[in-house]
Amino acid sequence: EAGVTQSPTHLIKTRGQQATLRCSPISGHTSVYWYQQALGLGLQFLLWYDEGEERNRGNFPPRFSGRQFPNDSSELNVNALELEDSALYLCASAGGTFNEKLFFGSGTQLSVL
Amino acid sequence: QKEVEQDPGPLSVPEGAIVSLNCTYSNSAFQYFMWYRQYSRKGPELLMYTYSSGNKEDGRFTAQVDKSSKYISLFIRDSQPSDSATYLCAMTNNAGNMLTFGGGTRLMVKP
Repeated sequence: EAGVTQSPTHLIKTRGQQATLRCSPISGHTSVYWYQQALGLGLQFLLWYDEGEERNRGNFPPRFSGRQFPNDSSELNVNALELEDSALYLCASAGGTFNEKLFFGSGTQLSVL
Repeated sequence: QKEVEQDPGPLSVPEGAIVSLNCTYSNSAFQYFMWYRQYSRKGPELLMYTYSSGNKEDGRFTAQVDKSSKYISLFIRDSQPSDSATYLCAMTNNAGNMLTFGGGTRLMVKP
């Protein structure tokens, strides 16, 4: 069974540009979560999608947005990039009886220069 | 104060040692508790999962939850160099809801 896949692995952008990150969940998982892991700050919850709808949002500005497609894959968009957006962006899909277990991809390392 | 506190380490132990990793939390509504292992430049991998209080064992790993003290632990027996990684505790009050993570403890097991 394939795990959660994310692309690209690395992304280099300059300030003010936009970044698009992609995620394919484990087959059969309808919930997708996005987390930011910045150096020294731990994992911070960004967004949660389930069945195409945004279910919850972390404490991030509106320039962080995303969507979930009918095939359950998801996209995270970051507009007007700032230097502090440099981080590892992790996508996870939820499994288990009550969707309580998160399975993470390897992440996209975003560097903003 | 953070909702979930975890000593960042690094924790350095010799091969074969018993390792104890801990987290404290402040939200008494947390019901589901997890431990993740994260190798450098990789996503976190789910190691252990427990619901409410009690112990759970899986091979060399034992997870303990003490809700009265708001304290969870992960024990690793017979530690191996391949256990060297960052260990993250995570918890949630509601299945299917977002997880709150600790900051992670970096473990180094020396041969």
